Amino acid sequence: DAKTTQPNSMESNEEEPVHLPCNHSTISGTDYIHWYRQLPSQGPEYVIHGLTSNVNNRMASLAIAEDRKSSTLILHRATLRDAAVYYCILSRGGGATNKLIFGTGTLLAVQP
Amino acid sequence: NAGVMQNPRHLVRRRGQEARLRCSPMKGHSHVYWYRQLPEEGLKFMVYLQKENIIDESGMPKERFSAEFPKEGPSILRIQQVVRGDSAAYFCASSLYDRNNQPQHFGDGTRLSIL
Repeated sequence: DAKTTQPNSMESNEEEPVHLPCNHSTISGTDYIHWYRQLPSQGPEYVIHGLTSNVNNRMASLAIAEDRKSSTLILHRATLRDAAVYYCILSRGGGATNKLIFGTGTLLAVQP
Repeated sequence: NAGVMQNPRHLVRRRGQEARLRCSPMKGHSHVYWYRQLPEEGLKFMVYLQKENIIDESGMPKERFSAEFPKEGPSILRIQQVVRGDSAAYFCASSLYDRNNQPQHFGDGTRLSIL
């Protein structure tokens, strides 16, 4: 399974932007980059996903490097509710099932 | 639209008893995934089911664990003769298609405690 590398933890101040990096140097051409987050005592929550182009939705933006070996999840204005563990996951193509392989993620702390 | 519903939210069992965890996917979703999160550990894939079929059970322990997703009704994860090491949060997710560009939608889990 393709591996992703994320910092163990990051800190941000409320109402400031947050850039969460992810390295995935062994990504293959059909792998999608997915981001999920898990708030305390809750199930994971889908955030965003993309293949090659940058993506925006109501929750976040996803910036994908041109060589696709890294990506950055951008929270434009962090709130206290964004404190969570953020997981960057490669979803394999080529006929593999869509099971998600979670790493250790990045624990984001948001300071008021 | 109701999201993925899991019940019970909390389940307490004594060693040797059976645990049944239920998952109702989002409306229209026929692909169900089960994951387990042991205390202080990450989420691990267990099994992927479509209606009436187990597609990928590569993450399921070989003994005592089974899963089903009948034509009617919720998906069930069944653990027989539970042991202390089965204490964990069990999450179910569903998706519309089994394609790698499809998000999975998770329930809030069942927290299983073994006395």
